[in-house]
Amino acid sequence: AQRVTQPEKLLSVFKGAPVELKCNYSYSGSPELFWYVQYSRQRLQLLLRHISRESIKGFTADLNKGETSFHLKKPFAQEEDSAMYYCALLTTSGTYKYIFGTGTRLKVLA
Amino acid sequence: GAVVSQHPSRVICKSGTSVKIECRSLDFQATTMFWYRQFPKQSLMLMATSNEGSKATYEQGVEKDKFLINHASLTLSTLTVTSAHPEDSSFYICSAEVGTDTQYFGPGTRLTVL
Repeated sequence: AQRVTQPEKLLSVFKGAPVELKCNYSYSGSPELFWYVQYSRQRLQLLLRHISRESIKGFTADLNKGETSFHLKKPFAQEEDSAMYYCALLTTSGTYKYIFGTGTRLKVLA
Repeated sequence: GAVVSQHPSRVICKSGTSVKIECRSLDFQATTMFWYRQFPKQSLMLMATSNEGSKATYEQGVEKDKFLINHASLTLSTLTVTSAHPEDSSFYICSAEVGTDTQYFGPGTRLTVL
C-alpha cells in the first residue's frame, strides 16, 4: 500500500532548540518525497524536495530508503517556523499522484 | 513566482444545488491540475487529477458524477459539486503543476452546504 505517515500531530519546541518532524512512507517504486508547509492563513507551499538536496529556511531532509523515512530537521527553531508541515509522496510507477501525510503542527515557543 | 487562484473563496449553498469552483493558473500554463479535499484538522485527500483536454482521473471512492471536473484549457480547471449535500461541506483545494513534481496550490474554497 502507498502511504505516508507523520506520527506526530503536534510538536512543540522552544526557540533555538533542534526540530525533527518525522515522516515515513510506504511505496514499492522509486519514491519522490516532498515537504510542504502551510503558515497561518496562507496557502500550502513547497518547502523542499528530496531530489534537490537543498536547504530551505534552514530546514533539511534526507531520504533514507532503508528506513523508508524522510524526516525534516532544523538545528535551531525560530518562532516564524510555527506552521503546519505536510510530508508528501509522489508516485510515478503506474498512477501519477501525490499522497499526503496527515501533517504535523509545529509550535515554536518563545 | 507561479500563482494559482481559486474562485470563489467561500460559498454557502442550499442542499440539492450545484456549485462550481474555478482554479486558474495566472502566469503559467499547467500541464496537470489536482483537486484535493481537506477536512477539518485532517490532511489533504486527492480527489482527482486532470489534464487539459482529457478526462479526469478520479481517486477510489470519489464519485465522478458527483464531482465533475472540466479542464478546458492549460490555465483553467473547474470542479462542480452536483446536488450538494451537507456531507459535501469541506475545504477544496486545487493545485497546478508545471512540468513534473512542482505543484503550486490555490488558496482553497470553503464550501458549506446547508
